[in-house]
Amino acid sequence: GAVVSQHPSRVICKSGTSVKIECRSLDFQATTMFWYRQFPKKSLMLMATSNEGSKATYEQGVEKDKFLINHASLTLSTLTVTSAHPEDSSFYICSARDRGTQNSPLHFGNGTRLTVT
Amino acid sequence: AQSVTQLGSHVSVSEGALVLLRCNYSSSVPPYLFWYVQYPNQGLQLLLKYTSAATLVKGINGFEAEFKKSETSFHLTKPSAHMSDAAEYFCAVSGATSYDKVIFGPGTSLSVIP
Repeated sequence: GAVVSQHPSRVICKSGTSVKIECRSLDFQATTMFWYRQFPKKSLMLMATSNEGSKATYEQGVEKDKFLINHASLTLSTLTVTSAHPEDSSFYICSARDRGTQNSPLHFGNGTRLTVT
Repeated sequence: AQSVTQLGSHVSVSEGALVLLRCNYSSSVPPYLFWYVQYPNQGLQLLLKYTSAATLVKGINGFEAEFKKSETSFHLTKPSAHMSDAAEYFCAVSGATSYDKVIFGPGTSLSVIP
């Protein structure tokens, strides 16, 4: 089945530093990838839609300068949390749809647990 | 605009009992509907999906869901709960294209009592 690989699974960084999270579709091509953020015991909040070869579309209230998204190819999107602060600590999950499969559901990575100290 | 509500943030059932997790949606376009399961500190796994074909959808692990347009519902059921079913369950709605956002409900935490 369709696999989305997300790396790293867990990262701890110091306040003020930047962290990059990678999301790869391993066996399918994804024109569009989605980045979600999940707070403890909460649902998934869509942060942005990552489009291959163009700028990401951010949801209302999400700082585009804080959360930089790059979708360099049909199989790779990255999320960079810039100048991280403790309030950025969260579980970040990427997802993608197989553009070659009709009615494709979202396939999810296993998430990245970010802790900012 | 699309939205999802899940009645009951926490559901507790006995092992072997029926599981019923409720989901209602709102959508301005014909919806695609999904149920996902999440285990602690993991991503989401697709249980089943409705994409305008059969209204009764069967998924993995013995789960199924029925799309009822008149009730705008897509409730998830399983005849007999197993301990391994304890997890967080999310109902989600989207449009039909690969570009459409998927909007998630708030989730329901399922506990299974031995």
